[in-house]
Amino acid sequence: KQEVTQIPAALSVPEGENLVLNCSFTDSAIYNLQWFRQDPGKGLTSLLLIQSSQREQTSGRLNASLDKSSGRSTLYIAASQPGDSATYLCAVISAGNNRKLIWGLGTSLAVNP
Amino acid sequence: NAGVTQTPKFRILKIGQSMTLQCTQDMNHNYMYWYRQDPGMGLKLIYYSVGAGITDKGEVPNGYNVSRSTTEDFPLRLELAAPSQTSVYFCASSYSHGQGVTDTQYFGPGTRLTVL
Repeated sequence: KQEVTQIPAALSVPEGENLVLNCSFTDSAIYNLQWFRQDPGKGLTSLLLIQSSQREQTSGRLNASLDKSSGRSTLYIAASQPGDSATYLCAVISAGNNRKLIWGLGTSLAVNP
Repeated sequence: NAGVTQTPKFRILKIGQSMTLQCTQDMNHNYMYWYRQDPGMGLKLIYYSVGAGITDKGEVPNGYNVSRSTTEDFPLRLELAAPSQTSVYFCASSYSHGQGVTDTQYFGPGTRLTVL
C-alpha cells in the first residue's frame, strides 16, 4: 500500500532563504508526483507535476525533483518570500491505483519578513 | 474559465439533516473527485467519477452519495448528517488522456461544513 510522508511537518525561515521540502513514498511504481500549495482557508493550487519518466520540473523560483528508485521528491524554493507562506502538499498516483492521488500530510511553511 | 466552483462556502447542519454540496467545472474534464480534509488527517477521497454516469467509491464513502449526470456537475449528497461529517469538503477535476492516468487536479475553494 502506497504511503506518502512529508518532512518536516512545519518550517519557519527568514525571508530570502533557499529551502527544501521533502516528500517520500513507499512504492516506487508511480505514474506521477505532484506538489500543491494550500493557503489557509482556501483550496489547493497545483504547483508542479513530474511524470515518472522525468527527473525534475521547474516553475519560476520552484524546482521539484524526483528520484523514483529511492522513493523521494524534493521541492526547492529559491529566495523565499513572505508570500510563499502556505502548506505544501505532495501527492502521487501509483501504478497499482492509477486513478487516485495518495496524499502526504503537508509541510506548513512560514517565511518571516 | 471559472474553473471548479463549489456551493455553499459554509453550512451548519443539525444531526440527521440532509444536504447536497454542489460542484461544477467548466474545463471539460472527464474526471471529478470529492475529498474531505480534517485537521492533521490529510485529504481523504470520498468518491470519484471518470465520466458522466460513472462513479466509484474512494477511501471514506460511508454516509455520502454522488451522481454524475453531466460532465460539468458532480454533487455530493449527505443523507443523515452526523458530527463525524464535520469537515472541509473539496471538489476537484482533472483530464485523463487514457489508461487512467490523469493530469493535475484542479480544486474548488471548499465547503466548510459543521454538524451540530
